[in-house]
Amino acid sequence: DAGVTQSPTHLIKTRGQQVTLRCSPKSGHDTVSWYQQALGQGPQFIFQYYEEEERQRGNFPDRFSGHQFPNYSSELNVNALLLGDSALYLCASRELQGRNTEAFFGQGTRLTVV
Amino acid sequence: AQSVAQPEDQVNVAEGNPLTVKCTYSVSGNPYLFWYVQYPNRGLQFLLKYITGDNLVKGSYGFEAEFNKSQTSFHLKKPSALVSDSALYFCAVRDIWDDYKLSFGAGTTVTVRA
Repeated sequence: DAGVTQSPTHLIKTRGQQVTLRCSPKSGHDTVSWYQQALGQGPQFIFQYYEEEERQRGNFPDRFSGHQFPNYSSELNVNALLLGDSALYLCASRELQGRNTEAFFGQGTRLTVV
Repeated sequence: AQSVAQPEDQVNVAEGNPLTVKCTYSVSGNPYLFWYVQYPNRGLQFLLKYITGDNLVKGSYGFEAEFNKSQTSFHLKKPSALVSDSALYFCAVRDIWDDYKLSFGAGTTVTVRA
């Protein structure tokens, strides 16, 4: 079992550009969440996707958007990048029907905005 | 609303000594509680969870945690720390009626000296 996989592992972008991050959930998982972890901080919830719909959103601007595909994989898109968007972006998956299940995290994508 | 506080930024212990990492939480309803560990340049690795039942939860790598509802705490413990336990530890909470959002503390850096 490959677990949660994210790509790319590292990315450098310029202010104002757009970026797309990708995530494949753990086998058997149907819901994907995205988190932003700034340096020295805990992960902050961006949003969660289930059945190809955004189900809940954290306190992030509309520049952050996402998508979930029929195979449960997901993308995170960030438009008009700011220096403050530099962070580790973590994808997590779990099986939603098991309400008490834990989330499994990928290794993350380190985004640097210059 | 839900939140987690980890009052200690750093915990330093000698190898072989007991290790405790503190966590308090706040949720509107009843909590699901989790501990994750993060090694440098890695994602989050699940250690253990409290769902219901016995207040003492046992997890991976010899870690355990004690749920205390009256003190709204979920402290992580290990009877005998190893140098390899040195890492960043995160406590997280999810309201049992919220299927989606995990809220994390700011993290505690554990250093175990030989």
